[in-house]
Amino acid sequence: EDQVTQSPEALRLQEGESSSLNCSYTVSGLRGLFWYRQDPGKGPEFLFTLYSAGEEKEKERLKATLTKKESFLHITAPKPEDSATYLCAVPQGGGNKLTFGGGTRVLVKP
Amino acid sequence: DADVTQTPRNRITKTGKRIMLECSQTKGHDRMYWYRQDPGLGLRLIYYSFDVKDINKGEISDGYSVSRQAQAKFSLSLESAIPNQTALYFCAIAQLAGGPDTQYFGPGTRLTVL
Repeated sequence: EDQVTQSPEALRLQEGESSSLNCSYTVSGLRGLFWYRQDPGKGPEFLFTLYSAGEEKEKERLKATLTKKESFLHITAPKPEDSATYLCAVPQGGGNKLTFGGGTRVLVKP
Repeated sequence: DADVTQTPRNRITKTGKRIMLECSQTKGHDRMYWYRQDPGLGLRLIYYSFDVKDINKGEISDGYSVSRQAQAKFSLSLESAIPNQTALYFCAIAQLAGGPDTQYFGPGTRLTVL
């Protein structure tokens, strides 16, 4: 069964302190990996899709990378508005059901 | 206007009551999903539908039923609510594509069962 594990569970950063979040997965035949951002009490907001090892995508202070076993979400010089829970997910089965990791809660203090 | 809307946004009910959560979309996407989110357990798939005549169970469908009334509407019902169904419920939509579909989520419904 596909499994997705995120670490750390929580991350406290000072504004400007760069860091990375990890998403490791066990999937037979990875066909993509998704990153979402979720604010408290709101629905997950799509950030990136990565399709193959070596691929990288960027959006503002966020950069997602993918290897054969894991993905990283790098947050460069974070600001308080980057505080959120970041979720990763992989498609499984027929290709359109997502298995989500437990998420990493990021708090950026000014 | 939001692409995915969910009603109600908040609901408090009692054990044994029947509850319906509704989801509607304006994107014309074929695929719709219902998830629940619990602290420490993440997002888990309840049901999904690839079109009006196609309904599939997810990993935690017991105690739930769904109806795809139209391409744009997908409802989740709790026939007899119980306290451990207290959770955040999210609807998501996706369009059939050549690769894995990107799912877009609604704002959620916070359900409390007393």
